[in-house]
Amino acid sequence: AQSVAQPEDQVNVAEGNPLTVKCTYSVSGNPYLFWYVQYPNRGLQFLLKYITGDNLVKGSYGFEAEFNKSQTSFHLKKPSALVSDSALYFCAVAPGGYSTLTFGKGTMLLVSP
Amino acid sequence: DAGVIQSPRHEVTEMGQEVTLRCKPISGHDYLFWYRQTMMRGLELLIYFNNNVPIDDSGMPEDRFSAKMPNASFSTLKIQPSEPRDSAVYFCASSYSGNTIYFGEGSWLTVV
Repeated sequence: AQSVAQPEDQVNVAEGNPLTVKCTYSVSGNPYLFWYVQYPNRGLQFLLKYITGDNLVKGSYGFEAEFNKSQTSFHLKKPSALVSDSALYFCAVAPGGYSTLTFGKGTMLLVSP
Repeated sequence: DAGVIQSPRHEVTEMGQEVTLRCKPISGHDYLFWYRQTMMRGLELLIYFNNNVPIDDSGMPEDRFSAKMPNASFSTLKIQPSEPRDSAVYFCASSYSGNTIYFGEGSWLTVV
C-alpha cells in the first residue's frame, strides 16, 4: 500500500524568503505525485503533479516541486513566499496507472509580512 | 467549467437523523470520489466510482454510510443514522480517465 509523510505540521517563513514544504512517499512501482493547497473553508486546489519526465515540475502560483527517486521525496518549493501563500498544503501519491490518491496529513504554511 | 458542485455547504443535524450530501461532478469526468476530512484522521477516501459503478468502498466506515451514483452527473452520500463522530468535511471530487482529481468546496457536517 502507498503512503505519504509530511514531517512538518507547520512551516513558518518570512515574506520574500524561499520556502520548502517537505514530502516523502512510499509506493510500489513508479509514483504519480501531487501537491494540493487548501485555503480556509475551501476545497483542495490542484497545484502541480509529477508523472514522468523532468524531475523539476512547475505549477500554479509560482510553485515548483522536485522529484527525487533515490530519496523518495517530492518537496514543494517557491523562490519568494507571499503572505497570500499561507494555507494548508497536501502532498499525495498514487501508483502508476492510478485511479485514487493517498494524501499526507498536510503542512500548514504561515508566511509573515 | 463550473467545477465540482456540492450541496449543502453546511449542515447541522441532530444525532439519529438522516443526512444526504449531494455532488455534481465536472461534465465529462468518468471518476467520482468521496473523501472525508477530520483533524484526527486527515483526508480519507471513502468510496469511488468509475462510469457510475462503485469500484472501491473499503473506506466507508460502516453500514450507516452509503453512496450512490445513479447517473454521470449526480452522486449522493448518505448517513443514516448520523452520529456526532460523523462530524467532518465531506469532499466530492472527480477526474477524467485517472488524470488530475478536482475537488468541490466541501460539505461541512456537524452532528449534535
